[in-house]
Amino acid sequence: DTGVSQNPRHKITKRGQNVTFRCDPISEHNRLYWYRQTLGQGPEFLTYFQNEAQLEKSRLLSDRFSAERPKGSFSTLEIQRTEQGDSAMYLCASSLLARGGLGETQYFGPGTRLLVL
Amino acid sequence: AQKVTQAQTEISVVEKEDVTLDCVYETRDTTYYLFWYKQPPSGELVFLIRRNSFDEQNEISGRYSWNFQKSTSSFNFTITASQVVDSAVYFCALSVKSNYQLIWGAGTKLIIKP
Repeated sequence: DTGVSQNPRHKITKRGQNVTFRCDPISEHNRLYWYRQTLGQGPEFLTYFQNEAQLEKSRLLSDRFSAERPKGSFSTLEIQRTEQGDSAMYLCASSLLARGGLGETQYFGPGTRLLVL
Repeated sequence: AQKVTQAQTEISVVEKEDVTLDCVYETRDTTYYLFWYKQPPSGELVFLIRRNSFDEQNEISGRYSWNFQKSTSSFNFTITASQVVDSAVYFCALSVKSNYQLIWGAGTKLIIKP
């Protein structure tokens, strides 16, 4: 049984470049979440998918950020024209929302640490 | 609106001491879920426990125990006989049935000194 995996684990890029991160959720999970976390803070919600549908995006999410989950399995998060303020840990989580909606537990991947120079 | 408060920013104890991490939550929803996650220095958030609002039973898992009290809107976490490996940031979080997004506390950094 494998947990949530994320690639790459670390990314260093220059300001203005585009970056893409990948998340592979736990196989039977139907929900996938993206968060951003900066040092000393709790995770900040970015967006989430139920199967392949993107159901919500944070109002704080810039237009430079886009996420996809094309077949309801893995997901990608792209940041275009990166800025130094994008430097953070990007966390992915997955969960199984069962029928009846009796709650869900999000399981997190190891994160991708982004540094924008 | 929902809110989670972890008033303790940092706690430092000597190994083998017991330590309690406080979590106070606010919600008007009658169905909600409370969580604790551990984030060691490696950065990965590790799920520890989920509690449903309709189940106030306290839980014990090894050296970990959780005290859920609806009367005080608290969900406190106690580590008994702490070990250096318990050093991490611990987050309390809340979700409600109408929207399963996690509302996070600010986290408590726990330092266990040998």
